[in-house]
Amino acid sequence: GQSLEQPSEVTAVEGAIVQINCTYQTSGFYGLSWYQQHDGGAPTFLSYNALDGLEETGRFSSFLSRSDSYGYLLLQELQMKDSASYFCAVRDSNYQLIWGAGTKLIIKP
Amino acid sequence: DAGVTQSPTHLIKTRGQQVTLRCSPISGHKSVSWYQQVLGQGPQFIFQYYEKEERGRGNFPDRFSARQFPNYSSELNVNALLLGDSALYLCASSSDTYEQYFGPGTRLTVT
Repeated sequence: GQSLEQPSEVTAVEGAIVQINCTYQTSGFYGLSWYQQHDGGAPTFLSYNALDGLEETGRFSSFLSRSDSYGYLLLQELQMKDSASYFCAVRDSNYQLIWGAGTKLIIKP
Repeated sequence: DAGVTQSPTHLIKTRGQQVTLRCSPISGHKSVSWYQQVLGQGPQFIFQYYEKEERGRGNFPDRFSARQFPNYSSELNVNALLLGDSALYLCASSSDTYEQYFGPGTRLTVT
């Protein structure tokens, strides 16, 4: 079956750096995306990796290794507003966007 | 510019009833996708439509159907509602790129 695995919860301190890992097993691979979702809100797009390597967008970076079926989201200079759930998602060969169960990021002052 | 809009915001239905959810994409976006999100889980893909044609279908029963109109808005229909259909239904639009823009969702409660 198709699956994406990510930790259910991560705790970090304000101002620190945190990494959220994602491993995937899908039928076909057309890129790894990351979304942020605050409680009660809709998911918002953060980043996308189609090729191996690191993509940087401000305080957020995302990495992909297709040979390892692995990626991660790196959040730097954590702020309290970054407290949210983070989802990795892969588009498979049937145009389905398959999502992980999400990682709840808890930030402590 | 207006974002993705969905209606209604909340809905309460009884088992066995039918429901229609509506979505208007961002102007210029030709692709609409529907997702079901149960509390504490990631969104589950239901359908994607592009230029009024179904491009993808997730692992949902035939009670779920959708369509896209010439103005690119979309409807999701669910027949014979079950208690397990209670969830947040999300619509996302895109310009056929990897980035999807989500609406606020419709919270469906089936009693």
